[in-house]
Amino acid sequence: KQEVTQIPAALSVPEGENLVLNCSFTDSAIYNLQWFRQDPGKGLTSLLLIQSSQREQTSGRLNASLDKSSGRSTLYIAASQPGDSATYLCAVKGWESKLTFGKGITLSVRP
Amino acid sequence: DVKVTQSSRYLVKRTGEKVFLECVQDMDHENMFWYRQDPGLGLRLIYFSYDVKMKEKGDIPEGYSVSREKKERFSLILESASTNQTSMYLCASSFWAGLDEQYFGPGTRLTVT
Repeated sequence: KQEVTQIPAALSVPEGENLVLNCSFTDSAIYNLQWFRQDPGKGLTSLLLIQSSQREQTSGRLNASLDKSSGRSTLYIAASQPGDSATYLCAVKGWESKLTFGKGITLSVRP
Repeated sequence: DVKVTQSSRYLVKRTGEKVFLECVQDMDHENMFWYRQDPGLGLRLIYFSYDVKMKEKGDIPEGYSVSREKKERFSLILESASTNQTSMYLCASSFWAGLDEQYFGPGTRLTVT
């Protein structure tokens, strides 16, 4: 059974810092990996989708990488801002089209 | 832009009531999903559907049923609500089974008293 781990559960950084959020998964037989952002009490917003054949995807200040063989993905956020404060979840899609989620990393960017 | 809407943002129901949560997507997606999200447990899949009138159990289907009579609409039904079903319920959709990303609705915060 696929398991997705995100450590640490919470992170606090000063504004302007570049940071890396980690995600690991146990079964490398995945179709894709998706990073989401969730604001308190809200739904999930898709940030980046990496197909299993890709190594990375970029959108603005965000860059996500995927190393399928080692079961790892990272989300890099450049020049962090207070507006980046949210919970970031990664999820992997297996052969049944179901997503398996990590429990998320709650990021706080201090002004 | 893909839009997934859910019928209510907040809902308060009594124990034993029958509860309907509605989800509608406007992008002609084949796949639709219902999750619940609880602190410390993360998101867990309740049911999903690949097509009209088709449904598959997720990881925690007990106490729930679903209905998909039209492609754009996927309903989650709590036959007899219980306090342990108090949770945030999230609906999602995706275009097809393989490579496409999932899009989520805003969520319904259900409280069962």
